[in-house]
Amino acid sequence: KAGVTQTPRYLIKTRGQQVTLSCSPISGHRSVSWYQQTPGQGLQFLFEYFSETQRNKGNFPGRFSGRQFSNSRSEMNVSTLELGDSALYLCASSPLLGNEQFFGPGTRLTVL
Amino acid sequence: LAKTTQPISMDSYEGQEVNITCSHNNIATNDYITWYQQFPSQGPRFIIQGYKTKVTNEVASLFIPADRKSSTLSLPRVSLSDTAVYYCLVGRNYGNNRLAFGKGNQVVVIP
Repeated sequence: KAGVTQTPRYLIKTRGQQVTLSCSPISGHRSVSWYQQTPGQGLQFLFEYFSETQRNKGNFPGRFSGRQFSNSRSEMNVSTLELGDSALYLCASSPLLGNEQFFGPGTRLTVL
Repeated sequence: LAKTTQPISMDSYEGQEVNITCSHNNIATNDYITWYQQFPSQGPRFIIQGYKTKVTNEVASLFIPADRKSSTLSLPRVSLSDTAVYYCLVGRNYGNNRLAFGKGNQVVVIP
């Protein structure tokens, strides 16, 4: 069974731009979570989607948003990029809410 | 949500048993303790989960004392490939664990 895939793997943007990251969960998994990982803050939860609805949300500003499609694929969007948004963005899927999570390889975003 | 405290880093020699501790003083009655492992340039990977006493799988053992205010992940006979960051999470089943990965414990295995 294929694992969680994330595209693109690497991305370079400039301040003020916006970016959309994509995540395809493991087949059959209905929950998708997003995390931001930086050296200073570690791994921080952004939000979780299940059945196209946001079920949990971390403590991030409204510039960070996401959505989930009927096939469980998910996208996250960051608007008005700031230098501090440079990070590894990880997506994780699980069969249902509250199950063990399976992580993708991440998207490395660099904001210049 | 219960907060966890882990050492920032630790070193161990190849072939030794490594014990990684985690403090969670305000763990709630319904909370489980879950450990993940993350290698460089990869996403975290689930290792083990437990509620009390001891849990063992093919990768590790998890020891939880009676008061459940701490836990210890034990890796038997580590190899260089066990060099990774280890995260301890506390929450109800898996659900609330989305919120509390933190910075983890960097374990370096030395030849």
